[in-house]
Amino acid sequence: GENVEQHPSTLSVQEGDSAVIKCTYSDSASNYFPWYKQELGKGPQLIIDIRSNVGEKKDQRIAVTLNKTAKHFSLHITETQPEDSAVYFCAAIGMIYNQGGKLIFGQGTELSVKP
Amino acid sequence: NAGVTQTPKFQVLKTGQSMTLQCAQDMNHNSMYWYRQDPGMGLRLIYYSASEGTTDKGEVPNGYNVSRLNKREFSLRLESAAPSQTSVYFCASTRGGLAAYNEQFFGPGTRLTVL
Repeated sequence: GENVEQHPSTLSVQEGDSAVIKCTYSDSASNYFPWYKQELGKGPQLIIDIRSNVGEKKDQRIAVTLNKTAKHFSLHITETQPEDSAVYFCAAIGMIYNQGGKLIFGQGTELSVKP
Repeated sequence: NAGVTQTPKFQVLKTGQSMTLQCAQDMNHNSMYWYRQDPGMGLRLIYYSASEGTTDKGEVPNGYNVSRLNKREFSLRLESAAPSQTSVYFCASTRGGLAAYNEQFFGPGTRLTVL
């Protein structure tokens, strides 16, 4: 089955700097890669996703890149702000069923943005 | 729209006790999921229900049972709680369907401690 590895486990940056979180996956059939942000005491929330037919996707200060050959994808946050401090999870979905699919999550990265 | 709701928010059990975690969604979603979150291990799928009337095992189903009561509700039962089941439990739902690149919406979580 699918296995997703995420690095680093913790990341501390100064406000205004960029942050990069990297994930690798094992199942070459995986074709959908979402990123979730989890604030303290809350459930995860989708912030951006990318499909396997696209190499890069941007949404304001957030971008995700995908390298299918190497089976890795990354989250880039530019001009970080204190409100970006949270735990970030990458995920991959391998088998798409007729109604819903199963997400396999990475271990999470705790991002701390220092003012 | 309440989204995904979970009850209770917190629970303390003694080893061997049983309990049911409740989850409901008001988004008319087809698919529902139960995850557990442990430090350094990300989110792991316990059980899921691709559609009303169906349930299936995820990565870590041992010690749990589920019931898809109707389209809105999906409960998770611990028959005989063990300390290893101390965790934060999240319920999620998604529209599902053939275009299954759908955002999963998470509830606020239930923090369970088994003594």
